Amino acid sequence: VQLVQSGAEVKKPGAAVKVSCKTSGYTFTSYAYHWVRQAPGQRLEWMGWINVYNGKIKFSQKFQGRVTLTTDTSANTAYMELSSLSSEDTAVYFCARGPGLTIFGAADYWGQGTLVTVAS
Amino acid sequence: SYVLTQPPSVSVAPGKTARLTCGGNNFGSKTVHWYQQKAGQAPVLVIDYDSDRPSGIPERFSGSNSGNTATLTISRVEAGDEADYYCQVWDSSSDHVLFGGGTKLTVL
Repeated sequence: VQLVQSGAEVKKPGAAVKVSCKTSGYTFTSYAYHWVRQAPGQRLEWMGWINVYNGKIKFSQKFQGRVTLTTDTSANTAYMELSSLSSEDTAVYFCARGPGLTIFGAADYWGQGTLVTVAS
Repeated sequence: SYVLTQPPSVSVAPGKTARLTCGGNNFGSKTVHWYQQKAGQAPVLVIDYDSDRPSGIPERFSGSNSGNTATLTISRVEAGDEADYYCQVWDSSSDHVLFGGGTKLTVL
């Protein structure tokens, strides 16, 4: 099982960033994908979840309207796009695999993280 | 909104037992997962569904959940256990996944 994320990004305030999470080693469509971020020195922060198994999507209220979660089943890849970036969005962004049957389950495999830096 | 409370830091000598707590209201009704995050790395799942240990996690790691507190217990602590540990639940009232603030485990 592997989740490999796209490389580091530097963006200007107001721009958008799209992070990819390419998976391998298992059936992509049987699972869900969480997106979690971690600002420097801060806690893990859940952004949202897209369940490829049942088609459901949930977002943290904090990011509602600003984050878009998509998948490409032909490429076994999940994507997270965050718009209207500000310096407060500077963080490492992680994708993580969750069970397709329930949101209660744990994130058992994680990507390596993608550093997004927002600076003018 | 629901809040998960973890002590910011715990220190333990090698070979001893570390007990890391995670508190919240009516916690016993929620399923708790625990992650270990070493510096500069992605989190690793060490306990899921309160007390289950994923494949590859040493038996020294165990979990429990009772009342308003979940506990991650690390027996015979080793230097390699030094990391931040996060608890996580799904909060039905907000329909959010929540993480605790994390506990930094220092091995003396």
